[in-house]
Amino acid sequence: KAGVTQTPRYLIKTRGQQVTLSCSPISGHRSVSWYQQTPGQGLQFLFEYFSETQRNKGNFPGRFSGRQFSNSRSEMNVSTLELGDSALYLCASTGWGGGETQYFGPGTRLLVL
Amino acid sequence: GESVGLHLPTLSVQEGDNSIINCAYSNSASDYFIWYKQESGKGPQFIIDIRSNMDKRQGQRVTVLLNKTVKHLSLQIAATQPGDSAVYFCAENGNYGQNFVFGPGTRLSVLP
Repeated sequence: KAGVTQTPRYLIKTRGQQVTLSCSPISGHRSVSWYQQTPGQGLQFLFEYFSETQRNKGNFPGRFSGRQFSNSRSEMNVSTLELGDSALYLCASTGWGGGETQYFGPGTRLLVL
Repeated sequence: GESVGLHLPTLSVQEGDNSIINCAYSNSASDYFIWYKQESGKGPQFIIDIRSNMDKRQGQRVTVLLNKTVKHLSLQIAATQPGDSAVYFCAENGNYGQNFVFGPGTRLSVLP
């Protein structure tokens, strides 16, 4: 099976702009989670989607949002970008969610100038 | 809030030696744990997992030990190789529907 794919791999944006990142889970997986990784904060959970519904949400401001499509592909959006949003954004998929092995994509490196 | 791990230590080992990476977790209700390896510029890669009804699980050159009494997890890597150099994360997960909580990671450096 193909692994988790994320596009784009790299992005450069300026403050105030918005960005949309895409994630395609492993075929057959229905749960998609998003994480933000920074040197200072480590891996922090953003949100999890299952069957097109947000099931869990981390402690991030409302500028961070996501959605999932019927084919389980997911997108996350960050509006009004801030310098502190520069990070590696990781997507992970599992079949059903909690209690299962979670597989990660390569990430999207976002740089906000 | 809940947390896994405390600091980001660095472990340096000689090639061929065994490595032991430790992780502390705080949620006694967690029942599933995963170790990940992350190389520079890549996403975390699954290494091995263990459920709370076990205290030891072995893979190829890796062993995970779980001590629920003191809420401690360890990853043992046998005959450490240069390709093992990476940051290693432990992650815990509770019941169905809960998200994974990750530790801060340990950087493993393998010396020639």
